[in-house]
Amino acid sequence: QAGLTQPPSVSKDLRQTATLTCTGNSNNVGNEGVAWLQQHQGHPPKVLSYRNNNRPSGISERFSASRSGNTASLTITGLQPEDEADYYCSAWDTSLIAWVFGGGTKLTVL
Amino acid sequence: EMQLVESGGGLIQPGGSLRLSCAASGFSVTSSFMNWVRQAPGKGLEWVSIIFNDGTTYYADSVKGRFTLSRDTSRDTLFLQMNSLRAEDTAVYYCTRGEFDPWGQGTRVIVSS
Repeated sequence: QAGLTQPPSVSKDLRQTATLTCTGNSNNVGNEGVAWLQQHQGHPPKVLSYRNNNRPSGISERFSASRSGNTASLTITGLQPEDEADYYCSAWDTSLIAWVFGGGTKLTVL
Repeated sequence: EMQLVESGGGLIQPGGSLRLSCAASGFSVTSSFMNWVRQAPGKGLEWVSIIFNDGTTYYADSVKGRFTLSRDTSRDTLFLQMNSLRAEDTAVYYCTRGEFDPWGQGTRVIVSS
């Protein structure tokens, strides 16, 4: 199944803002939005934002999600060392009848 | 608190079979759709299978015809029966509820001779 497109890596300075992107098509991202996941090395992923751009309880307000057309974005403000992780987007593809994932973005906080 | 615990992974020869389990606590496995997602060593996340509330299942093309997802609602447990295993099935297998919340800790499957 074709996946979503994410930049492999993003580097930003401490306390700056990072915006991660995720591009799909009208059958997935453009249709129902994406969920954003954070994964630290050696740990299972954790959801940061559901497809409706809402955050689960306990997720910092520094993480915000949005979507425009077939591209979704995750914005992380006030970058902290603990934000250094891999970030994945995922969308339900109504044509494939499958979840599709992005390849992940490795965020480095300098 | 909602929790998921996977088990059943291990080392298996190519062509062999394994059955993974995912035990849920703090919620019913029929309260939302449930997924299996895997992650090969050093790679990204790959969706494997989904089971909806009504029991309907769907599979990734890479496992279709070889993997079967089922559940025991009396035990709030999912099962992933994996047959005809290949080297490329080597991964950590996670189960996760609904829109990926929560995740289990994963169970490692290694397919190698």
